Amino acid sequence: SQTIHQWPATLVQPVGSPLSLECTVEGTSNPNLYWYRQAAGRGLQLLFYSVGIGQISSEVPQNLSASRPQDRQFILSSKKLLLSDSGFYLCAWSPRGAGNEQFFGPGTRLTVL
Amino acid sequence: SQQGEEDPQALSIQEGENATMNCSYKTSINNLQWYRQNSGRGLVHLILIRSNEREKHSGRLRVTLDTSKKSSSLLITASRAADTASYFCAIVGGSNYKLTFGKGTLLTVNP
Repeated sequence: SQTIHQWPATLVQPVGSPLSLECTVEGTSNPNLYWYRQAAGRGLQLLFYSVGIGQISSEVPQNLSASRPQDRQFILSSKKLLLSDSGFYLCAWSPRGAGNEQFFGPGTRLTVL
Repeated sequence: SQQGEEDPQALSIQEGENATMNCSYKTSINNLQWYRQNSGRGLVHLILIRSNEREKHSGRLRVTLDTSKKSSSLLITASRAADTASYFCAIVGGSNYKLTFGKGTLLTVNP
């Protein structure tokens, strides 16, 4: 069966510090991968998605970047965090192809102080 | 905007009652999906309904889709306290890799 891991589960970082959140998927090959951010009491905002190694589509221009160095690894990064980067970050995968259901990781709660 | 919008924003019912949540959207879709999120957790996929389907069932869940009205509903029958969660609809338009989520309905089932 497929599983998706995210770490860390929680993170408190000062403004201006760098960020690296990691997501890995097991039990499947060639997945589509996604990074979302969820503000308190709100829906999900798609940040990045990837349909293959090295292929990244950015949905919202901002302070963040994403990379996919391996087929089942997706990394969300920032060089300098802003207060507005605080939120709940969710990684998800879906089977190859368009419009499929997505399977979410447990999320990372990021607080920028 | 492709975003789905859920209605109501919050719903509180007693255990054993049925819960109905609605989702409206503005564009044509390939499919519409419903997800559940327990507080502080990741989302769990519930049901996917395609644009050429009108109704789908999964256990106590029933989803309907009316493409002429651009709306969908999620019915949870015989609700349980464990059904307490936020429920989101998400739409996929055309040949698209992206899901666009609404802001969700917070369902509280009181024991």
